[in-house]
Amino acid sequence: ILNVEQSPQSLHVQEGDSTNFTCSFPSSNFYALHWYRWETAKSPEALFVMTLNGDEKKKGRISATLNTKEGYSYLYIKGSQPEDSATYLCARLSPHDMRFGAGTRLTVKP
Amino acid sequence: DAGVTQSPTHLIKTRGQHVTLRCSPISGHKSVSWYQQVLGQGPQFIFQYYEKEERGRGNFPDRFSARQFPNYSSELNVNALLLGDSALYLCASSLEGGRIDEQYFGPGTRLTVT
Repeated sequence: ILNVEQSPQSLHVQEGDSTNFTCSFPSSNFYALHWYRWETAKSPEALFVMTLNGDEKKKGRISATLNTKEGYSYLYIKGSQPEDSATYLCARLSPHDMRFGAGTRLTVKP
Repeated sequence: DAGVTQSPTHLIKTRGQHVTLRCSPISGHKSVSWYQQVLGQGPQFIFQYYEKEERGRGNFPDRFSARQFPNYSSELNVNALLLGDSALYLCASSLEGGRIDEQYFGPGTRLTVT
């Protein structure tokens, strides 16, 4: 993997469903992985910063895991709510660069 | 506390012109980064500055330049504008630009080149 890739590109779920999406990235020269939530008409908002292999972070109903050896991170949302509708971006940090994926656009239907 | 501010909000320029975008970081933050976001793609890293020094540069032509001032605010300059420079330009600030520092984004400047 040369670039940061996110899947799926978009996701539609019902309120109350749990969901997860993937961020894949080059594992060499890895410094950190950032997750952001970007709601329409707002600025991207930091969710997590992860650095160590095996890291797990949690904030309310949202959690993330990190595997730096194989180059992937998962973001989980438990019991999705309409206010979770947003684009979720991951970004891989290397010594002099920060590379974003194209994002997963989540829509939660009431 | 005020968040990251950017000006102007929107801008329309003609091909060949020059543009300056401005960013004021959160008080106490010493690092500013600039990103270009084209619809359907993630933000592309342009520059990072820390304590007025360039710390990182993305894969952008020399038409793009930036600087950071003693008060940690920053300017992004783009010369000889091309149609392809039309994008949302985001500025983000962090405490020291370190790998564990969270970035706080501004609302962006929407640049349209005609």
